[in-house]
Amino acid sequence: TQLLEQSPQFLSIQEGENLTVYCNSSSVFSSLQWYRQEPGEGPVLLVTVVTGGEVKKLKRLTFQFGDARKDSSLHITAAQPGDTGLYLCAGAPAGGTSYGKLTFGQGTILTVHP
Amino acid sequence: ETGVTQSPTHLIKTRGQQVTLRCSSQSGHNTVSWYQQALGQGPQFIFQYYREEENGRGNFPPRFSGLQFPNYSSELNVNALELDDSALYLCASSRDSSNYGYTFGSGTRLTVV
Repeated sequence: TQLLEQSPQFLSIQEGENLTVYCNSSSVFSSLQWYRQEPGEGPVLLVTVVTGGEVKKLKRLTFQFGDARKDSSLHITAAQPGDTGLYLCAGAPAGGTSYGKLTFGQGTILTVHP
Repeated sequence: ETGVTQSPTHLIKTRGQQVTLRCSSQSGHNTVSWYQQALGQGPQFIFQYYREEENGRGNFPPRFSGLQFPNYSSELNVNALELDDSALYLCASSRDSSNYGYTFGSGTRLTVV
């Protein structure tokens, strides 16, 4: 069974601060996806990282996939209240036998105070 | 293009009853995956349907079953409901059975009393 440990579980910060969310596993993933989920809504895909060591940037968000494809991080620079939400990482299994079976972390609830 | 739509949005059922949840996939998507998200947790994979066949299943008992129709819409059926089945049920569609580019619906909030 593949597990993804996401940390921290809760993050409460002031507007303008930086933060990093971590996603770690002992398993190798073919890709790692990051989602943001608002209350009462489904997760919305932010980014997919595929190559070990890959770094992707979306405005103030920086995503990194570990060299061994077992871990990932999400860094937000100068957080804004609009960044508030549940952030989820999800790993797609390596090998071709578990289509669609994304393994999700337990999520990080981020609250950015004005 | 239309996104993923799920119905109903909320549902209350009694323990032991059966429930059917519905999902219309995004235009152009032929694969549907279902996830269960308990309060305060990440989603858990239930199963995936591709070309009307089950194409992968998570650790859920057989009383969780599904269907996919020729128009790629899908149903999730749960028999003999238990209190622990209370959760947000999410449907996600994608263009093929790969692991990229999922679009999630807003979910169905099921409460079992």
